Amino acid sequence: DVKVTQSSRYLVKRTGEKVFLECVQDMDHENMFWYRQDPGLGLRLIYFSYDVKMKEKGDIPEGYSVSREKKERFSLILESASTNQTSMYLCASSLDRGLETQYFGPGTRLLVL
Amino acid sequence: GEDVEQSLFLSVREGDSSVINCTYTDSSSTYLYWYKQEPGAGLQLLTYIFSNMDMKQDQRLTVLLNKKDKHLSLRIADTQTGDSAIYFCAEIRRGSYIPTFGRGTSLIVHP
Repeated sequence: DVKVTQSSRYLVKRTGEKVFLECVQDMDHENMFWYRQDPGLGLRLIYFSYDVKMKEKGDIPEGYSVSREKKERFSLILESASTNQTSMYLCASSLDRGLETQYFGPGTRLLVL
Repeated sequence: GEDVEQSLFLSVREGDSSVINCTYTDSSSTYLYWYKQEPGAGLQLLTYIFSNMDMKQDQRLTVLLNKKDKHLSLRIADTQTGDSAIYFCAEIRRGSYIPTFGRGTSLIVHP
């Protein structure tokens, strides 16, 4: 089975802190994605990557950056966390560019105080 | 307006059928998907349908696609308490790899 793991299930940070959210997949997938999920808003794509060292902006990249130094790992970085970044963050990976093969991690619930 | 719309809540009795509806606005959508999210978990792909299909059935799940009305539905037969979850509709448009998700429908199954 494909496994997508995220470094933390719950995280509490203070406004202005630098925050790293890590995601690792074990199936040699080319593509990795970061979403945020907010009640009543569904999932919104922040960034995605189709290859090592490659990144593309999603719908809501402002306030975030990403890093893909190794194929299996995709990091989401909040340079200076703000309270409006309190959310559930979901990582996903896929072999193809089609959505049908996306596998999601369990999510990281981030609270910014 | 939103690109993909779903009602936020649906309540059904155990053993009844559930029908979760979704509307989308882009006629160029190539793939349409249903995902399930259980409490505290990530999303799990339930099923998908190509835009050139009208119906897809998989055990208790039936997906119907009405391209004229841009309407997608997911029917769950014999709904069980384990089906309680949030169900997301999503689409991929022709020429794009970025999915658009609906807001999710919370399905509540009561005895």
